[in-house]
Amino acid sequence: SQTIHQWPATLVQPVGSPLSLECTVEGTSNPNLYWYRQAAGRGLQLLFYSVGIGQISSEVPQNLSASRPQDRQFILSSKKLLLSDSGFYLCAWSVSGRIETQYFGPGTRLLVL
Amino acid sequence: AQKITQTQPGMFVQEKEAVTLDCTYDTSDPSYGLFWYKQPSSGEMIFLIYQGSYDQQNATEGRYSLNFQKARKSANLVISASQLGDSAMYFCAMREEGTGFQKLVFGTGTRLLVSP
Repeated sequence: SQTIHQWPATLVQPVGSPLSLECTVEGTSNPNLYWYRQAAGRGLQLLFYSVGIGQISSEVPQNLSASRPQDRQFILSSKKLLLSDSGFYLCAWSVSGRIETQYFGPGTRLLVL
Repeated sequence: AQKITQTQPGMFVQEKEAVTLDCTYDTSDPSYGLFWYKQPSSGEMIFLIYQGSYDQQNATEGRYSLNFQKARKSANLVISASQLGDSAMYFCAMREEGTGFQKLVFGTGTRLLVSP
């Protein structure tokens, strides 16, 4: 069966520091991968998606970036964090098809101080 | 314009009763998919149920069913026989299949509280 991992689970970082969040998927090949952010009490906002290694599309311009160095690995990064980057970051995967349900990881809570 | 609208910020239901969570959507694409997710306090988004725009019957998954009214553009989630563990945020989402990439658009969610 497929599983999705995210780490770290919780992160507290000072403003201006770098960021690296990692997401890995097991049990499937060539998944579509997604990064979402959820601000407190809000819905999900799609940040990035990837349909293959090295293929990244950005939905919202910001100081975050994403990379996909391996088929089942998706990384969210920042060179300098802003206070507004605080939130709950969720990674998701799907397999291309008619329904293409997205399945989410456990998420990372990021607090920028 | 909002693609997905969830007008109920919070809902209360007693254990063992049924509850309906509302969702309306806006699209001009004839082919689309509608999803419901549950987000407990732990934060993980759990997929519950899917309804395709061309599906003739309402989707059902155990205690979850989707009341799909295409003409009204509504896709309400019905939870039967509520349990204490159903207390969570519930999100409705839509995927428009006419676009180049099939991304999900989420509503703002409804918080459900199940009381004993």
